[in-house]
Amino acid sequence: QSALTQPASVSGSPGQSITISCTGTSSDVGGYNYVSWYQQHPGKAPKLMIYEVSNRPSGVSNRFSGSKSGNTASLTISGLQAEDEADYYCSSYTSSSPLVFGGGTKLTVL
Amino acid sequence: EVQLVESGGGLVQPGGSLRLSCAASGFTFSSYWMSWVRQAPGKGLEWVANIKQDGSEKYYVDSVKGRFTISRDNAKNSLYLQMNSLRAEDTAVYYCARGPATLNYWGQGTLVTVSS
Repeated sequence: QSALTQPASVSGSPGQSITISCTGTSSDVGGYNYVSWYQQHPGKAPKLMIYEVSNRPSGVSNRFSGSKSGNTASLTISGLQAEDEADYYCSSYTSSSPLVFGGGTKLTVL
Repeated sequence: EVQLVESGGGLVQPGGSLRLSCAASGFTFSSYWMSWVRQAPGKGLEWVANIKQDGSEKYYVDSVKGRFTISRDNAKNSLYLQMNSLRAEDTAVYYCARGPATLNYWGQGTLVTVSS
């Protein structure tokens, strides 16, 4: 049940695009299309931003998009805004345990 | 409106027990898998356990197997986490969330502190 691998931090300027990667194995990210992405602001509960690799829940901005290639999933945020500054976590269904999270990525909007 | 409200957290000594509750409203509770996720202070998210709609299937992260028990009462729209033999490393905010793998609604969390 090892955590998925995410970069510790990423940054970008307002209006730019950034991508956060989430690397697993064929037993989790690569083997199933149950990858989700969550946004968490300080002191708040996580919020679902992307589910099943590339689907956006109702109400989530279309500036957020998800994709997957092999054992790596990615979250792209386009047109960065100040309110996007937060921690982002990926998660995946796994063959050994129902769910595993990534270590989290802190997004800084410069 | 979907609402999940956790309660039952607090300070407990190592080796002690706590029972967390999660009150659900705004949806048909009995139709959904439910999960517990925790977050240690300053750390990332860790999935803890989940339970099928009728309670017939339950899964746990290895670190809590044999110590924690997830349960639910569909008549009371409530989810529970019985935590025994608590350790310092169980200190965290515990969130309940709707779903097995896609967690589309989360509560605000309840803090559990294990310390002497």
